[in-house]
Amino acid sequence: GEDVEQSLFLSVREGDSSVINCTYTDSSSTYLYWYKQEPGAGLQLLTYIFSNMDMKQDQRLTVLLNKKDKHLSLRIADTQTGDSAIYFCAETFGNEKLTFGTGTRLTIIP
Amino acid sequence: DARVTQTPRHKVTEMGQEVTMRCQPILGHNTVFWYRQTMMQGLELLAYFRNRAPLDDSGMPKDRFSAEMPDATLATLKIQPSEPRDSAVYFCASGPRAGTTLGYEQFFGPGTRLTVL
Repeated sequence: GEDVEQSLFLSVREGDSSVINCTYTDSSSTYLYWYKQEPGAGLQLLTYIFSNMDMKQDQRLTVLLNKKDKHLSLRIADTQTGDSAIYFCAETFGNEKLTFGTGTRLTIIP
Repeated sequence: DARVTQTPRHKVTEMGQEVTMRCQPILGHNTVFWYRQTMMQGLELLAYFRNRAPLDDSGMPKDRFSAEMPDATLATLKIQPSEPRDSAVYFCASGPRAGTTLGYEQFFGPGTRLTVL
């Protein structure tokens, strides 16, 4: 089966780091993605990682991939109010079809 | 600034009526996806096309839903007859030809919020 799981909610204080976790069940996935959905909008690609990488850093974003445990995480440093959104992880197995996780709603506490 | 457009943005209709949602993918993209998002089910893939040909519509209720691409600039999702349980946000997304960019990135439209009374 193709189940991508995430915690539904995460609350973080402004300025702290946010860590959003994702587990997937198919080890043959080739690319793994993080998408962000702001209220009233569609999903927007934040970052991605290829399956042969362990880590990728892009400004305030750090993606960690543990293939052994099928675990993907997204760390947002210095979390700001504009980071409030739903974050989806997604995987693909070598074609255009993405399997999305359930989404994690990130709330920033002032 | 290339983006996916969807019309209408909001639609309120009564049960039994036909609903047509339209999507204009980004010019040059060869894959188009239709998703449905609800609080209960999350984001579900309904159907997707490559080069205008349907590749997978296994997520779509066949008896009432239909998806087509009359040409490369237009994708449609039709519900006939509509039911209250179809109330959701419907997203269209398009993707570039595989290998040309970040693997298989999808670009999402703003969605059509459908309410069936």
